[in-house]
Amino acid sequence: DQQVKQNSPSLSVQEGRISILNCDYTNSMFDYFLWYKKYPAEGPTFLISISSIKDKNEDGRFTVFLNKSAKHLSLHIVPSQPGDSAVYFCAASVIQGAQKLVFGQGTRLTINP
Amino acid sequence: DSGVTQTPKHLITATGQRVTLRCSPRSGDLSVYWYQQSLDQGLQFLIQYYNGEERAKGNILERFSAQQFPDLHSELNLSSLELGDSALYFCASSRDRGEKLFFGSGTQLSVL
Repeated sequence: DQQVKQNSPSLSVQEGRISILNCDYTNSMFDYFLWYKKYPAEGPTFLISISSIKDKNEDGRFTVFLNKSAKHLSLHIVPSQPGDSAVYFCAASVIQGAQKLVFGQGTRLTINP
Repeated sequence: DSGVTQTPKHLITATGQRVTLRCSPRSGDLSVYWYQQSLDQGLQFLIQYYNGEERAKGNILERFSAQQFPDLHSELNLSSLELGDSALYFCASSRDRGEKLFFGSGTQLSVL
């Protein structure tokens, strides 16, 4: 049962343009959502998060949008830079109780110069 | 550098064998998590420990076990290894629940 889904395994974007990565979830109990970025031979690193009481959170070039009714979140990167090329994982958890991050399968983002 | 240390980085072994993966969390972090990433798969949650006690369990096989020691480091034991156990195993830590996780760089396990 894949509770968090990233339906695009890969995405290619021109440098300077906007990158939009999407994520869907099925468990309505999730109330905390995160994006992680992973370079080859490294562990995932935290990028940005959003609580279910918000619908948008911004941090520099990165913005996460949450649509609770659609059970959908997205990560926008503007402008995209070559260093953004990585695998991006969406994750979700329920804050109450034991924290257990459920991850999506990841989307490989390639920024073309 | 996340501050989470995993050893070894690579491990090659044969089917039927037993291995131990080690994780040292960030200084001050009480929670340790283990995740498995197989080829083309997302990160699958295996198990979480908080201050020495098991806190949550995911899709962890009965052949796998883990523990967290008084100094807060953790070990993941994998036994009766099968080819399908080949994967990247990540450890992560956090100060408490509800906080973001910091991941180690993983142990690549190859079962031949």
